[in-house]
Amino acid sequence: GAGVSQSPSNKVTEKGKDVELRCDPISGHTALYWYRQSLGQGLEFLIYFQGNSAPDKSGLPSDRFSAERTGGSVSTLTIQRTQQEDSAVYLCASTQGGIYEQYFGPGTRLTVT
Amino acid sequence: AQKVTQAQTEISVVEKEDVTLDCVYETRDTTYYLFWYKQPPSGELVFLIRRNSFDEQNEISGRYSWNFQKSTSSFNFTITASQVVDSAVYFCALRGNDYKLSFGAGTTVTVRA
Repeated sequence: GAGVSQSPSNKVTEKGKDVELRCDPISGHTALYWYRQSLGQGLEFLIYFQGNSAPDKSGLPSDRFSAERTGGSVSTLTIQRTQQEDSAVYLCASTQGGIYEQYFGPGTRLTVT
Repeated sequence: AQKVTQAQTEISVVEKEDVTLDCVYETRDTTYYLFWYKQPPSGELVFLIRRNSFDEQNEISGRYSWNFQKSTSSFNFTITASQVVDSAVYFCALRGNDYKLSFGAGTTVTVRA
């Protein structure tokens, strides 16, 4: 079946602009995660959605970052007023439930100039 | 808080050599899950294995094997008879009660023909 998909694959934006990154999880997966991968910080957890429960936002680095998940499926990660330190690969993952392995999408490479 | 340490930053071997990747973890949770992921040059994280904290059986899958030892908090990964296609970054990860994955810094494996 189809895996996790993310769009766009690459995004170049100017400092100060807002960006939206999209994630389509594997059909039927109830849990969805966002991670960020950067050279200096490695792989960092950002946010976690499980069903209709309130999301775990404990990994979001600042209030410029937000995410939503509509209808328990597609998720959008929004970064407002982008900064150069936001440049990274943003990875989305989904899983059947908390204890199972997470399946990752190909990522969105964000470059802030 | 969870912590995963992959002390080896880079490993370079010649094809057909065996290579062992070390992973040491820290957690206060009594139930936890350990994972290995492969990130080839294409960039997508590929799930390799999940191991539960209450199951210390070692596992072999083709040329891959894993050694889980709770007494030393280690979950090491061995590639037997390495091949060029094994060249990638390998990540060890831990999931405790809080559902999010904590990743190690990764080990870059280069297999030379």
